[in-house]
Amino acid sequence: DAKTTQPPSMDCAEGRAANLPCNHSTISGNEYVYWYRQIHSQGPQYIIHGLKNNETNEMASLIITEDRKSSTLILPHATLRDTAVYYCIVREGHGQGAQKLVFGQGTRLTINP
Amino acid sequence: DTGVSQDPRHKITKRGQNVTFRCDPISEHNRLYWYRQTLGQGPEFLTYFQNEAQLEKSRLLSDRFSAERPKGSFSTLEIQRTEQGDSAMYLCASSHPPTTVGNQPQHFGDGTRLSIL
Repeated sequence: DAKTTQPPSMDCAEGRAANLPCNHSTISGNEYVYWYRQIHSQGPQYIIHGLKNNETNEMASLIITEDRKSSTLILPHATLRDTAVYYCIVREGHGQGAQKLVFGQGTRLTINP
Repeated sequence: DTGVSQDPRHKITKRGQNVTFRCDPISEHNRLYWYRQTLGQGPEFLTYFQNEAQLEKSRLLSDRFSAERPKGSFSTLEIQRTEQGDSAMYLCASSHPPTTVGNQPQHFGDGTRLSIL
């Protein structure tokens, strides 16, 4: 079972920041938070991951709370092409059991013009 | 394009037939993964390879399913005696091996959509 909880859907206006929350209250010390998104009819696309520090790349920013029990993915200036299902995944950093990604239902983000 | 490539993109077949899908990973990635995704659900892990060795198989991978990666490069997933319940998107992903900081992100192809008539 997925170890994360996400809202099933969200809306955001084009050009605004999209903030997608994720709860992972049972996360353990060696588990990373990964974010993927899936646009209709395509495979999941890797966005970003982090352990405890906030991370930023060309796609998004990941803010992880100090207790690591929740995180927020931020798309700073959402465009219509950001409409997708966003998955928050907790994954072990090391070990045999860390190979698979366990996807939940994700959040369906709709960017409105 | 240097991403993960899957072939075919779509496959329609009759129940009881055998099907085979191919995945070409990103060239420098030695890990390759197969997932299955049914409508409205997130992808589910099936199996993974490190080079040519198949290291883990999910309980979802019944004995009608077999995956190979004979030379540690491309992989094939075969389903024998297909059933209606096999209708799904079959996704392949690849990644670098772990580093000292841990496992590396998996990068996915666009999948093969299988429809069983």
